[in-house]
Amino acid sequence: NAGVTQTPKFQVLKTGQSMTLQCAQDMNHEYMSWYRQDPGMGLRLIHYSVGAGITDQGEVPNGYNVSRSTTEDFPLRLLSAAPSQTSVYFCASSGGTANTIYFGEGSWLTVV
Amino acid sequence: GQQVMQIPQYQHVQEGEDFTTYCNSSTTLSNIQWYKQRPGGHPVFLIQLVKSGEVKKQKRLTFQFGEAKKNSSLHITATQTTDVGTYFCACPPGNQFYFGTGTSLTVIP
Repeated sequence: NAGVTQTPKFQVLKTGQSMTLQCAQDMNHEYMSWYRQDPGMGLRLIHYSVGAGITDQGEVPNGYNVSRSTTEDFPLRLLSAAPSQTSVYFCASSGGTANTIYFGEGSWLTVV
Repeated sequence: GQQVMQIPQYQHVQEGEDFTTYCNSSTTLSNIQWYKQRPGGHPVFLIQLVKSGEVKKQKRLTFQFGEAKKNSSLHITATQTTDVGTYFCACPPGNQFYFGTGTSLTVIP
């Protein structure tokens, strides 16, 4: 099983550019989420979704948009990239009785 | 959001020494999960604790859930270099999961 797949793995953006981080899962999980990880800050929740058509904000949603048109896909959009958005981004999904979180391999984003 | 404090933030140990990380919540938790992230990798699920006072073991790792379900600990006995990484607790108040800040473990051979 592929699990959670996110692309791209590495990206350099110029300030003001927009881009989309793609995330797909093949486990039929209802719950999907995006985290950013910065040194000393742990994993901070950006946005999450409890099912297709439903999204909500996490701890640090400003500057990011999400949508959930299908169960499988949960893209994260950076509207106008800023250097403060330089980070490692993880997509995750969870579901079933155990509610274990499965993470993608991460996307390293640098905004210059 | 959920207030989850994890201490210490960093820990350096000699190989063979024990290691403990603590996770403290400001509210009562329904359950708590622990994850390990190797350097350059992504977090991987280790275990879930649900019951008050629960203790679970995985080889050299011992996980404990406090009686009040507001704190948890992960203890590693006789650390090895393979234990290097960051250990996170995760607390799900509902459908979203909030993570502690993590404890970065360095094991010196």
